[in-house]
Amino acid sequence: NAGVMQNPRHLVRRRGQEARLRCSPMKGHSHVYWYRQLPEEGLKFMVYLQKENIIDESGMPKERFSAEFPKEGPSILRIQQVVRGDSAAYFCASSPPVRGQNEKLFFGSGTQLSVL
Amino acid sequence: TQLLEQSPQFLSIQEGENLTVYCNSSSVFSSLQWYRQEPGEGPVLLVTVVTGGEVKKLKRLTFQFGDARKDSSLHITAAQPGDTGLYLCAGVLGAGSYQLTFGKGTKLSVIP
Repeated sequence: NAGVMQNPRHLVRRRGQEARLRCSPMKGHSHVYWYRQLPEEGLKFMVYLQKENIIDESGMPKERFSAEFPKEGPSILRIQQVVRGDSAAYFCASSPPVRGQNEKLFFGSGTQLSVL
Repeated sequence: TQLLEQSPQFLSIQEGENLTVYCNSSSVFSSLQWYRQEPGEGPVLLVTVVTGGEVKKLKRLTFQFGDARKDSSLHITAAQPGDTGLYLCAGVLGAGSYQLTFGKGTKLSVIP
């Protein structure tokens, strides 16, 4: 019973390059959330997606960041023209189709992005 | 400004000791969750509390949600080295919301 799978675990990019982070939710889960954890900071909500729909992207920076969750395949968080401040751990979480107050989120192991 | 303040930031104790960590806010949360995160891994949910004054026990861990639903505590009895980790509290601000607001965490080290 595979959990939330994120890859790559570590990603090194030079300033100006693009970073693509992938997340495969748990089997049967159709809701995906992306969170970012900066050094010495708490996790911050970025975006909430369902299959083929962005439900809430209020936590995403307005520029350079985008996310998708296609009908087939993993969810992708894309960061264009990365800057040093984008260096962080990016976590994906998934939950079952029915949302409730006691909803259980399952987090992946994260992708550690380092921008040189 | 941090919406959820966790204290202490760091805690180092001997195996067998008891400890309490706190999660405080001036905002009211419809529910609050506690997670444990190990280095290089994602957070793992320990418990969700929903009702003001609620107390939940998970083996040696006791979680309490404040009456006003603005704060919470986690008490560990007879700590073991396996309890070492980063303990995060996370709250949901509005009923029906899905965004979790996280605290910065308490880093616990239990020394054998």
